[in-house]
Amino acid sequence: AQSVTQLDSQVPVFEEAPVELRCNYSSSVSVYLFWYVQYPNQGLQLLLKYLSGSTLVKGINGFEAEFNKSQTSFHLRKPSVHISDTAEYFCAVRDTGNQFYFGTGTSLTVIP
Amino acid sequence: DSGVTQTPKHLITATGQRVTLRCSPRSGDLSVYWYQQSLDQGLQFLIQYYNGEERAKGNILERFSAQQFPDLHSELNLSSLELGDSALYFCASSGGAGPSYEQYFGPGTRLTVT
Repeated sequence: AQSVTQLDSQVPVFEEAPVELRCNYSSSVSVYLFWYVQYPNQGLQLLLKYLSGSTLVKGINGFEAEFNKSQTSFHLRKPSVHISDTAEYFCAVRDTGNQFYFGTGTSLTVIP
Repeated sequence: DSGVTQTPKHLITATGQRVTLRCSPRSGDLSVYWYQQSLDQGLQFLIQYYNGEERAKGNILERFSAQQFPDLHSELNLSSLELGDSALYFCASSGGAGPSYEQYFGPGTRLTVT
């Protein structure tokens, strides 16, 4: 089974500053990688995904992530955050058996 | 609005009881997923159906069962409820079964077991 580690449970950042949310997973065998965002009292929304190909993946709302196979990481970045980016962010791994594994989440708070 | 509907929105019940959660996928989506989100265990994948057939099973307890009906809606049945089953239960749907299909999440059903 996979495990997904989100190293930071809470990340405060000032508005317009860059941010990186870290995610590591346990196995380097073929997996598919996802980042989801959850706003209060809502379901999850897909930010971006890595299935294959280019290791730099661009998503919605200006987010991007880089797949690093050797380090089994999939860190999420945004060059300039907005107040509206305040939310919970989840990294997820889907293996070839269609099993999903989620990290514990990172709470991003954007400070005006 | 993702187009996925879940009913009821909130459910309060007692230990030992049985409840049924309902999910209607987006129009045209064939695959349905169920997830549990709790403070103790975080987000956990429970089960996936595709066009009425079970496709993948995650951390679903034996007390829980699910099915997808011919009209593609799905139900998650939770029985012999325990306090620890209190959680937010999400349903998601996608057009197909594979990872290239984006999952669209419903607003969830909040279950409180007292």
